[in-house]
Amino acid sequence: DGGITQSPKYLFRKEGQNVTLSCEQNLNHDAMYWYRQDPGQGLRLIYYSQIVNDFQKGDIAEGYSVSREKKESFPLTVTSAQKNPTAFYLCASSMGRGAGGYTFGSGTRLTVV
Amino acid sequence: AQSVTQLGSHVSVSEGALVLLRCNYSSSVPPYLFWYVQYPNQGLQLLLKYTSAATLVKGINGFEAEFKKSETSFHLTKPSAHMSDAAEYFCAVRGNNAGNMLTFGGGTRLMVKP
Repeated sequence: DGGITQSPKYLFRKEGQNVTLSCEQNLNHDAMYWYRQDPGQGLRLIYYSQIVNDFQKGDIAEGYSVSREKKESFPLTVTSAQKNPTAFYLCASSMGRGAGGYTFGSGTRLTVV
Repeated sequence: AQSVTQLGSHVSVSEGALVLLRCNYSSSVPPYLFWYVQYPNQGLQLLLKYTSAATLVKGINGFEAEFKKSETSFHLTKPSAHMSDAAEYFCAVRGNNAGNMLTFGGGTRLMVKP
């Protein structure tokens, strides 16, 4: 079945460490997105990519980095520069055109310990 | 430019009662409209979408929404709430230009009382 897979489900990070969250899709979607979700704050866009080898900053890109070397993969690195990384991270993908919406992964919960 | 407003960050209903979650949008082009549901510690799941065909859209789990252009609204309803409907619901809008991204509302948490 086609879908979008995020791993790991839970991730713990020590202060000062970089961590990378994985997002893989087999839907042949052109566009991929990363969102951060905090309690009571809805979805906030971190980065997005509408084509391979190209990506754009979203509303809260500081302290995060991404790459899009393959169409099916869009990993997110949370760097030590992100001062408050504890949150629920959601990856999504879409065709980029037409009437379709987004397909979401099941999320990664990152906790700083 | 486009935006979405969901009135009421929390809505509480009794089991068996009508569910009404409000969504108003603005869009400079004819919109595509979506409702998503999110259960705790999960991703968002598409409930239904409006893509300029029928104005009354039926979705999964007995939900439906009506597109009202004159009111710029796309409210989500369900005749009878179940305990399993307790979740967070997001409305989203997308312009029908190529490459346009979804803009999400702030979400509404639905609580269902026994």
